[in-house]
Amino acid sequence: NAGVTQTPKFQVLKTGQSMTLQCAQDMNHNSMYWYRQDPGMGLRLIYYSASEGTTDKGEVPNGYNVSRLNKREFSLRLESAAPSQTSVYFCASSVEGRGTDTQYFGPGTRLTVL
Amino acid sequence: ILNVEQSPQSLHVQEGDSTNFTCSFPSSNFYALHWYRWETAKSPEALFVMTLNGDEKKKGRISATLNTKEGYSYLYIKGSQPEDSATYLCASTTSGTYKYIFGTGTRLKVLA
Repeated sequence: NAGVTQTPKFQVLKTGQSMTLQCAQDMNHNSMYWYRQDPGMGLRLIYYSASEGTTDKGEVPNGYNVSRLNKREFSLRLESAAPSQTSVYFCASSVEGRGTDTQYFGPGTRLTVL
Repeated sequence: ILNVEQSPQSLHVQEGDSTNFTCSFPSSNFYALHWYRWETAKSPEALFVMTLNGDEKKKGRISATLNTKEGYSYLYIKGSQPEDSATYLCASTTSGTYKYIFGTGTRLKVLA
């Protein structure tokens, strides 16, 4: 039981390059989330998926797209990376996404955009 | 309060000291308050979720209280140990939304 896994762990991009961050969970959770974490700021929600087949914008969605590929997988895509997207990205999942549900986090992806 | 705020930002305590920190959150449409423990180079792990005014939770030497009317929660650590060193995050949710609003965390360092 791996919980929430993310790939890659580290990535360096040049401005304008694209990439996809992968996230998968094996806990049969319905809801999944993408956050970014920057120094001096809390975890900020980029996008979330309340259930398979649905996605919604969070607090900071600009420059990102997501795909809920199936119940297990939720990917985050940067179409044209910018230095402002240098951050640590965390994927999380929860049973239903009710406000009382615990979120389980992946190990994070550290992304640097030059 | 529109955001979730945590104080202090960081603190150092000696091994054996007891300590506490605060999470302030919007009290309107309050639904739940979560506490997470986040060790360096790891991912956040859940400590508590609280929903009711006056709720208290305890896990070993760590406990938390909740005041939903005034919008704050306290996290207490009794007899701090070096292994308690971590960032403690709180997150608030409001009714009718899937969104969790996280504070910036309190970074605790326990000195041996």
